Amino acid sequence: GEDVEQSLFLSVREGDSSVINCTYTDSSSTYLYWYKQEPGAGLQLLTYIFSNMDMKQDQRLTVLLNKKDKHLSLRIADTQTGDSAIYFCAESKDSNYQLIWGAGTKLIIKP
Amino acid sequence: DAMVIQNPRYQVTQFGKPVTLSCSQTLNHNVMYWYQQKSSQAPKLLFHYYDKDFNNEADTPDNFQSRRPNTSFCFLDIRSPGLGDAAMYLCATSRAGPGTQYFGPGTRLLVL
Repeated sequence: GEDVEQSLFLSVREGDSSVINCTYTDSSSTYLYWYKQEPGAGLQLLTYIFSNMDMKQDQRLTVLLNKKDKHLSLRIADTQTGDSAIYFCAESKDSNYQLIWGAGTKLIIKP
Repeated sequence: DAMVIQNPRYQVTQFGKPVTLSCSQTLNHNVMYWYQQKSSQAPKLLFHYYDKDFNNEADTPDNFQSRRPNTSFCFLDIRSPGLGDAAMYLCATSRAGPGTQYFGPGTRLLVL
């Protein structure tokens, strides 16, 4: 079946880079997403990547996709306290509207 | 700014007392979704509308119903809330065809 896996926690020092990893099982995934959720808030779309791309960069965010290994990562450069949140990886296919979600990675920033 | 709006942000109801949560969008998207999210778990899709076509997830309890009177508005009705229905309820929209979903801020439901 379809599955998306993430580590539950990541702790980094302020100013360092954060790398949040995600693996998925469905090779027919078309879109892969990163959403950010701050405490008590809704889900904010951070970035997404099409399955025919290897990399996407948007300011401090870099997404890398390794289709062979079914591995997606989100790198946040110069991590700030405002980056503290839960980051959800999700995938979808052309054939349906459902997003398959990872459990979320809680990013903890140490001063 | 085009956006997804949810009202109220916090809702308190009594066990068994019907409650309605509201979502509106200015994005003019064809598809609207309702999710339930508990304790920072991943969101769980309850149902979605593609225009007026309603699509229920197989494991969504009958206690949860939805209405979409027009493109802009979608409602989640919980007919007889139980303690286990306390959660964050998220509304999302997307254009026709699967793709990026845009979320509202959520309504946190508390059942007493």
